[in-house]
Amino acid sequence: KQEVTQIPAALSVPEGENLVLNCSFTDSAIYNLQWFRQDPGKGLTSLLLIQSSQREQTSGRLNASLDKSSGRSTLYIAASQPGDSATYLCAVRYAGKSTFGDGTTLTVKP
Amino acid sequence: NAGVMQNPRHLVRRRGQEARLRCSPMKGHSHVYWYRQLPEEGLKFMVYLQKENIIDESGMPKERFSAEFPKEGPSILRIQQVVRGDSAAYFCASSWNRDSGEKLFFGSGTQLSVL
Repeated sequence: KQEVTQIPAALSVPEGENLVLNCSFTDSAIYNLQWFRQDPGKGLTSLLLIQSSQREQTSGRLNASLDKSSGRSTLYIAASQPGDSATYLCAVRYAGKSTFGDGTTLTVKP
Repeated sequence: NAGVMQNPRHLVRRRGQEARLRCSPMKGHSHVYWYRQLPEEGLKFMVYLQKENIIDESGMPKERFSAEFPKEGPSILRIQQVVRGDSAAYFCASSWNRDSGEKLFFGSGTQLSVL
């Protein structure tokens, strides 16, 4: 069964801190892994996409890593800001569909 | 190049009525995926369609729910005889190719409220 787990479910940090969000998956036969951001009551904004053959991707203050053999991905956010407060979702793409974790809700306090 | 378009943005129905949610994929995309997000939960896969075909409906409830993606026009997710438990955000995503490494593009979702 293809399961995706995100830990922690919620995280609160002071502004300026670096932080790591975790995503684990049970089936390593993935095509890619995509990190999304979702603001309350809004849709999904794609942050980073890592192909199965890649180890990491970077965009600005965000860095995502992928270890397919261990079934893990991390999203690293540097120098967090209050505007980073949102729910972060990882989606693992398999043949035909993507499976989502339940997300990590991040609160960055000024 | 418009993104994935979903309408309506908000839909209110009374119990027993029908709900029809529409999704127009990105231009050139022929693969559509529907997801449901219940309050305080993650996105759950419902159905994957290609033009005129249902490829994977393993996440669809067995009754009252149906989906189509006709040759012309948007994909439709139809919920008959809605119940309060159907209240959720319904998201549509599209892609150009099924098994490539490309990203999914999501619409803004339809928030269904059942009174």
